[in-house]
Amino acid sequence: NAGVMQNPRHLVRRRGQEARLRCSPMKGHSHVYWYRQLPEEGLKFMVYLQKENIIDESGMPKERFSAEFPKEGPSILRIQQVVRGDSAAYFCASSPSQRNTGELFFGEGSRLTVL
Amino acid sequence: AQKITQTQPGMFVQEKEAVTLDCTYDTSDPSYGLFWYKQPSSGEMIFLIYQGSYDQQNATEGRYSLNFQKARKSANLVISASQLGDSAMYFCAMRGNSGGSNYKLTFGKGTLLTVNP
Repeated sequence: NAGVMQNPRHLVRRRGQEARLRCSPMKGHSHVYWYRQLPEEGLKFMVYLQKENIIDESGMPKERFSAEFPKEGPSILRIQQVVRGDSAAYFCASSPSQRNTGELFFGEGSRLTVL
Repeated sequence: AQKITQTQPGMFVQEKEAVTLDCTYDTSDPSYGLFWYKQPSSGEMIFLIYQGSYDQQNATEGRYSLNFQKARKSANLVISASQLGDSAMYFCAMRGNSGGSNYKLTFGKGTLLTVNP
């Protein structure tokens, strides 16, 4: 299966702990996008990364959240000192370039629960 | 800025019947793309269908078709011959194709479709 792979699928953290969510893009894709889905809502854009570069992080909360996409390995979304409001599903998508193709495929999502 | 409106929080349909899920949008972009995604209770986001604003014909993918009415700014999803497995949340989304942020999708709040046997 060459789709977008996310792990873990489910993550439980206590308030104050750190959460790390991983996304491996589709083979050949060097552009990664993270979205967040709060309960009862649609997805909202968080950040767009290319290999080793953050292109647009306008949707990321200013504090506690960070993202990276290293030269080797998956993209990581990191949430420090989690709070209950961080409980959400986090989705990743990838594309081969920024140019406008049609479909955009998402991974299966990572569901973070903060106790 | 883009905006997607899905006015139907929930819809019911009998198995084997057709159903239309409404989506209206607003954008100042002359070129844009419209998407529909299905989210079953298991939570994954499944791409269903895509329509480009300059596509001459309405998009179709199997039992899914997109009723694109550009002047009305609507992009309704039509599911024909509904199946029990179609019960899910459905999201309409769009992306502007011009400008520097043509990679961002804007989503509606979704419509919960229930297919009754």
